[in-house]
Amino acid sequence: DQQVKQNSPSLSVQEGRISILNCDYTNSMFDYFLWYKKYPAEGPTFLISISSIKDKNEDGRFTVFLNKSAKHLSLHIVPSQPGDSAVYFCAASAGNAGNMLTFGGGTRLMVKP
Amino acid sequence: NAGVMQNPRHLVRRRGQEARLRCSPMKGHSHVYWYRQLPEEGLKFMVYLQKENIIDESGMPKERFSAEFPKEGPSILRIQQVVRGDSAAYFCASSPGGWNQPQHFGDGTRLSIL
Repeated sequence: DQQVKQNSPSLSVQEGRISILNCDYTNSMFDYFLWYKKYPAEGPTFLISISSIKDKNEDGRFTVFLNKSAKHLSLHIVPSQPGDSAVYFCAASAGNAGNMLTFGGGTRLMVKP
Repeated sequence: NAGVMQNPRHLVRRRGQEARLRCSPMKGHSHVYWYRQLPEEGLKFMVYLQKENIIDESGMPKERFSAEFPKEGPSILRIQQVVRGDSAAYFCASSPGGWNQPQHFGDGTRLSIL
């Protein structure tokens, strides 16, 4: 029972263009959503988050959009850079459940120069 | 990933041995989480601890696995009588607690069972 799904295992984008990574969830108790970036042999690095009371959060080149009615969130990276090439995980938590994170399976982003 | 320190980075054990994984949270963080990543999969929650207390261990296998976070020293994830299926990357994360606080991860311990 996957509560958080990333349906695209990989995405290839040209440098300078927009990267859009998608994530769907099923548990309506989730109220906090996060995106992490992961390089091989390293731990996940926190990128950006959004709480359920918002529908958009922006930090530099990264913007996260939340559509609660569709139980869908997306991460936009503009402009994409070769250094952004990594695996991106979305994660969700429910504040009344101890804030433990439920992760999606990840999307491998490749940004071509 | 500066701040959350995990050691060792790599650990090799033979079947039946014990594995001990250590995690020191970021300074000022009193909440520790352990996650496991099997090959080609996402991270899966195992256990959530605060100092001297296990808050949620719903993701821990019922047997052979235990975790602690003593008053002094790092959090320890212990796996007794390891089997080949325990081979994975084990990640520790910490947070200051409270609602909407992101967890910050260490670089993990890669456990290999011979």
